[in-house]
Amino acid sequence: QLVLTQSPSASASLGASVKLTCTLSSGHSTYTIAWHQQQPEKGPRYLLKVNSNGSHNKGDGIPDRFSGSSSGAERYLTISSLQSEDEADYYCQTWGTGIKVFGGGTKLTVL
Amino acid sequence: EVQLVESGGGLVKPGGSLRLSCAASGFTFSSYSMNWVRQAPGKGLEWVSSISTSTTNYIYYADSVKGRFTISRDNAKNSLYLQMNSLRVEDTAVYYCARDSGPITMIVETDFWGQGTLVTVSS
Repeated sequence: QLVLTQSPSASASLGASVKLTCTLSSGHSTYTIAWHQQQPEKGPRYLLKVNSNGSHNKGDGIPDRFSGSSSGAERYLTISSLQSEDEADYYCQTWGTGIKVFGGGTKLTVL
Repeated sequence: EVQLVESGGGLVKPGGSLRLSCAASGFTFSSYSMNWVRQAPGKGLEWVSSISTSTTNYIYYADSVKGRFTISRDNAKNSLYLQMNSLRVEDTAVYYCARDSGPITMIVETDFWGQGTLVTVSS
């Protein structure tokens, strides 16, 4: 079964960096995933996609502070030079044969 | 500028029906697969349904809505639709229209989202 697992919460200080993790279920370690940001009371926004090689492609207008990487079944979103507007929920997404899946989301608090 | 604008949400009784619409602009609608994704109050994102471009015509549904919801598109009107029948309390959510990055839905990521429309199912 295709499942994505995310930690419910994360926190980091203003100006620091944070690395969020999305873990693919067993047997799906080669899947590409996408990261989406949802700021409070807004619709989601696509950030970037990350494949199993760790290469990533960002969406239009996404700052260089956002980057992706991978290791095994884990896919990462790193946000550097944290700003207050980065406080948001972050969801990973993947897709397979006839199904799309979202992780449960990570709520990022900027201290 | 890519824009997706949902409409048609509202309050409906359990067992009732509702039709959501999504008006697309700023891109060649017929060249992209599309999706509906929902978010129950205070919860995460849940994929609902996807449709590829008309040339491939692949349609998919989450198990939770299969047999009750129908996705469709009208490329001449640049519009996506979701017909929702036999609605349940647990279908209460904000429903987002979302574009994929290519024409075949199950091999590409979702790369643009609308702002959503609220559907409330309650007696």
